[in-house]
Amino acid sequence: GDQVEQSPSALSLHEGTGSALRCNFTTTMRAVQWFQQNSRGSLINLFYLASGTKENGRLKSTFNSKESYSTLHIRDAQLEDSGTYFCAAEPGYQNFYFGKGTSLTVIP
Amino acid sequence: EAAVTQSPRSKVAVTGGKVTLSCHQTNNHDYMYWYRQDTGHGLRLIHYSYVADSTEKGDIPDGYKASRPSQENFSLILELASLSQTAVYFCASSGTGGADTQYFGPGTRLLVL
Repeated sequence: GDQVEQSPSALSLHEGTGSALRCNFTTTMRAVQWFQQNSRGSLINLFYLASGTKENGRLKSTFNSKESYSTLHIRDAQLEDSGTYFCAAEPGYQNFYFGKGTSLTVIP
Repeated sequence: EAAVTQSPRSKVAVTGGKVTLSCHQTNNHDYMYWYRQDTGHGLRLIHYSYVADSTEKGDIPDGYKASRPSQENFSLILELASLSQTAVYFCASSGTGGADTQYFGPGTRLLVL
């Protein structure tokens, strides 16, 4: 089965609002990485976390390895935030398991 | 300047033909990876390498071979391309085995007819 369960699968936000994306893990993970895939298909690094919380502008991510989840918070959403967001978690040192993504649409 | 580049960016291949996808990184990273992405899904690991002249199988290696002739270059080879291998292929590099951020190339869109 899938080791990374990502939710929601799709999300619509009005500009200026915010929400949280979540990844649950079915096995212990040592780190997680979050990406945005833009309309051209490029994968943009957002965060890499081995623990705790990181923040960058309007984005904040938390990784709780004990409770097996990670979240990505988006605040004050802008049109350019539209895209698909993926989390990828690593159980060991040589592999990442990707979630199926959250498709985010920001509405003017 | 892009640190992970892939070529070609898109390709149409015939069933049973041989396809080689190339990846080049200027990050001075030891680890390189090949993933495939199918429409509406996340990425799945095909092969990876942590040193030149050595490759390892990922989660879905069947039907694919990999080659790492140098630290900078990593190729994915489809000896007998099949319809099911139509996908977007991404190459990535990282400084250490999973204990570091992965940096992705722009992807190669492969269509097998």
